Amino acid sequence: ETGVTQSPTHLIKTRGQQVTLRCSSQSGHNTVSWYQQALGQGPQFIFQYYREEENGRGNFPPRFSGLQFPNYSSELNVNALELDDSALYLCASSGGTGVWETQYFGPGTRLLVL
Amino acid sequence: AQTVTQSQPEMSVQEAETVTLSCTYDTSESDYYLFWYKQPPSRQMILVIRQEAYKQQNATENRFSVNFQKAAKSFSLKISDSQLGDAAMYFCAYGTAGGTSYGKLTFGQGTILTVHP
Repeated sequence: ETGVTQSPTHLIKTRGQQVTLRCSSQSGHNTVSWYQQALGQGPQFIFQYYREEENGRGNFPPRFSGLQFPNYSSELNVNALELDDSALYLCASSGGTGVWETQYFGPGTRLLVL
Repeated sequence: AQTVTQSQPEMSVQEAETVTLSCTYDTSESDYYLFWYKQPPSRQMILVIRQEAYKQQNATENRFSVNFQKAAKSFSLKISDSQLGDAAMYFCAYGTAGGTSYGKLTFGQGTILTVHP
């Protein structure tokens, strides 16, 4: 186990709704990254948060947003859900922002958009 | 943009045998990191091994080793003495060392490894 937890494990939403996914990082980790993993694909980087600020972003629209809190927890919010948003969402915590920092992944939240 | 390609969607190996998973990548950068991650059916991604591009020596971690060919942009993973617990999806990933240096990893499509008893 990596010490990173995510909730909920599964979620079903309908198109147009909004969803919030939660992640609890390892204690002491000030950086969290979020990834989207479509079925049968590798994860795709959404964004990274460092000390409660967005620190880098992949090719995802603004309706994907995040928050990071001082207690090592974070959220991924997705507005105006689309069918293509159906995927496994992974968070990964690390002790710093550089890619050389080992990223510890959570088990993921499986989102299904109908 | 960097790309990572894993050309083997599925591989299988007998328990105690050796298997090699392939990965190629495309980049114009000289300073970067490469990783192999394992994702068992429980879904939690685990780091298997890491290679810094500036190091010529291939990384090893117990039964796991890599063959890093920088000029060929190739980064294969060798698993020796395969065990049933090695069965998983394996992802090759690339990370930029410089620039903004935020932790964006670019993943390949993955290789499903089956281990037969």
